[in-house]
Amino acid sequence: QKEVEQDPGPLSVPEGAIVSLNCTYSNSAFQYFMWYRQYSRKGPELLMYTYSSGNKEDGRFTAQVDKSSKYISLFIRDSQPSDSATYLCASGSGSARQLTFGSGTQLTVLP
Amino acid sequence: GAVVSQHPSRVICKSGTSVKIECRSLDFQATTMFWYRQFPKQSLMLMATSNEGSKATYEQGVEKDKFLINHASLTLSTLTVTSAHPEDSSFYICSARPVQETQYFGPGTRLLVL
Repeated sequence: QKEVEQDPGPLSVPEGAIVSLNCTYSNSAFQYFMWYRQYSRKGPELLMYTYSSGNKEDGRFTAQVDKSSKYISLFIRDSQPSDSATYLCASGSGSARQLTFGSGTQLTVLP
Repeated sequence: GAVVSQHPSRVICKSGTSVKIECRSLDFQATTMFWYRQFPKQSLMLMATSNEGSKATYEQGVEKDKFLINHASLTLSTLTVTSAHPEDSSFYICSARPVQETQYFGPGTRLLVL
């Protein structure tokens, strides 16, 4: 079992829809959680960073972490065609230098 | 802030040659940098962790004699693909870790070995 599981999709939604992207993790030591966005042929771009449980909002993006269920979510409101990309979740712990990445979910927002 | 650059962005070389890729943190110091490889429509695969002033730590299955990593300063790590072969063709991405837990990625280098 991978330490971070992510549905690869692909996920296709109409413009303006609310998108929900999810990951689960198995390592109880994970304390911080990130979402990256990767456009085709580009390096991943850090979108959201959350420490421990809770919600974090930044514009149209909301990240949620539920440590009790080991569940990580990213919500995108009023989705735009420019949001079409692959979204990667990642988790890490203070003792580990490297992050553990999910496999990525490919999202397409149709105009 | 937290900008990471990579050079070159794209390289085409003949089989058997060596290729060097540079990764620089432009506005912060990074004691740790990471090198990833990504095949089309697949996720990131960590190759090695580059530590400033010490030897890199390679992931299982990654040949350290083939993928030479040098982290000579707090802002520069290099990956050299030695004696490249067509199967080494891939998208190579570095990331750098400031003092916080996050990683910031470079734009990637596309390597094509003919």
